[in-house]
Amino acid sequence: DAKTTQPTSMDCAEGRAANLPCNHSTISGNEYVYWYRQIHSQGPQYIIHGLKNNETNEMASLIITEDRKSSTLILPHATLRDTAVYYCIVLPSGGGADGLTFGKGTHLIIQP
Amino acid sequence: EPEVTQTPSHQVTQMGQEVILRCVPISNHLYFYWYRQILGQKVEFLVSFYNNEISEKSEIFDDQFSVERPDGSNFTLKIRSTKLEDSAMYFCASRTGLAGYNEQFFGPGTRLTVL
Repeated sequence: DAKTTQPTSMDCAEGRAANLPCNHSTISGNEYVYWYRQIHSQGPQYIIHGLKNNETNEMASLIITEDRKSSTLILPHATLRDTAVYYCIVLPSGGGADGLTFGKGTHLIIQP
Repeated sequence: EPEVTQTPSHQVTQMGQEVILRCVPISNHLYFYWYRQILGQKVEFLVSFYNNEISEKSEIFDDQFSVERPDGSNFTLKIRSTKLEDSAMYFCASRTGLAGYNEQFFGPGTRLTVL
């Protein structure tokens, strides 16, 4: 699986958009970009995933660059409850029974 | 909204004892997983289970660990002889069988403390 690189931590003001970057320069053509988050002491939570087109759901938007070597997760109006560790994970499209490999992620702190 | 449940929420045991952690995955899901998270560290994959057999396991999942789906609803993780280093939060997860769609739903976890 492709390796990902994320900043260790970020701050964002409440109500503003939080933009979390991820580099995945070795991603291959059949690999998706997934984002999960873990709020303190809870189980990880799926946020969004994409292949090459931008995606949006009720939680977030995902912007993937044209060369697919990087992506940005956008939380449009961050709230205090969005304080969490965010993980960018690259997975092959076949899915199967692949376990998720969590890196260190980005600790996003939403400031009041 | 359907959710993954886990019992107990906290288990305390003595070193060398056997423990069984229980999970009820979402009912129409076909893939089941166990992960662990040692305090202050990252979430680590242990094992995946599909079609009543182990599909994939990590180096952590040695002979002391086993998984079972004893009936149509439960999915269990057994640690045969617990060690101090098994103290961690254990998360169960499940997902549908849709190809190319790896949205895993995680339970709230069981905190295992080995004394």
